Amino acid sequence: KAGVTQTPRYLIKTRGQQVTLSCSPISGHRSVSWYQQTPGQGLQFLFEYFSETQRNKGNFPGRFSGRQFSNSRSEMNVSTLELGDSALYLCASSLTGITEAFFGQGTRLTVV
Amino acid sequence: LAKTTQPISMDSYEGQEVNITCSHNNIATNDYITWYQQFPSQGPRFIIQGYKTKVTNEVASLFIPADRKSSTLSLPRVSLSDTAVYYCLVGIFTGGSQGNLIFGKGTKLSVKP
Repeated sequence: KAGVTQTPRYLIKTRGQQVTLSCSPISGHRSVSWYQQTPGQGLQFLFEYFSETQRNKGNFPGRFSGRQFSNSRSEMNVSTLELGDSALYLCASSLTGITEAFFGQGTRLTVV
Repeated sequence: LAKTTQPISMDSYEGQEVNITCSHNNIATNDYITWYQQFPSQGPRFIIQGYKTKVTNEVASLFIPADRKSSTLSLPRVSLSDTAVYYCLVGIFTGGSQGNLIFGKGTKLSVKP
């Protein structure tokens, strides 16, 4: 079956802009979670959605937001981009919770 | 929130057994321990998950002592293709608003011929 699909794979944005990343989970998976990965901080949890509701949120500023649609597809938005937002953004899906999650290949965001 | 600590790097040779330990103080009652493997330019791949004692699947074993303040991932007879970064994850989403997941910094395993 198809895996988790993230689009786009690569993105270059300018400071101050906003960006929207997309994630299509594995069919039947209702939980979608997002992560930021950087060389300095490693993997950090952003938030998790389950059945269109944000169920949990990590320690990121309000500039980072997300949503989930009725078909479980999810989007993540980052407003007022900063240079430090440059990272690999990963999405993962699972049936019920994120600990047995399947990850996408990520979106590489570069802020210049 | 549980904080996790794992070795930054480990070296091994093909055919050896590799044990990677993760310390997770303040682990909560509801927390599970999960290990992921990540290759460059790919998302992490689920390896194994456990709550207590020992769990084994076709690729690894996970040992968790009674106090659950640490866990050890055991990879039997590693090969060159096991060279990757291994992450320890503590937590679970129960639906509450205070849920969070803590990843370790990752252990870079290098397997040599």
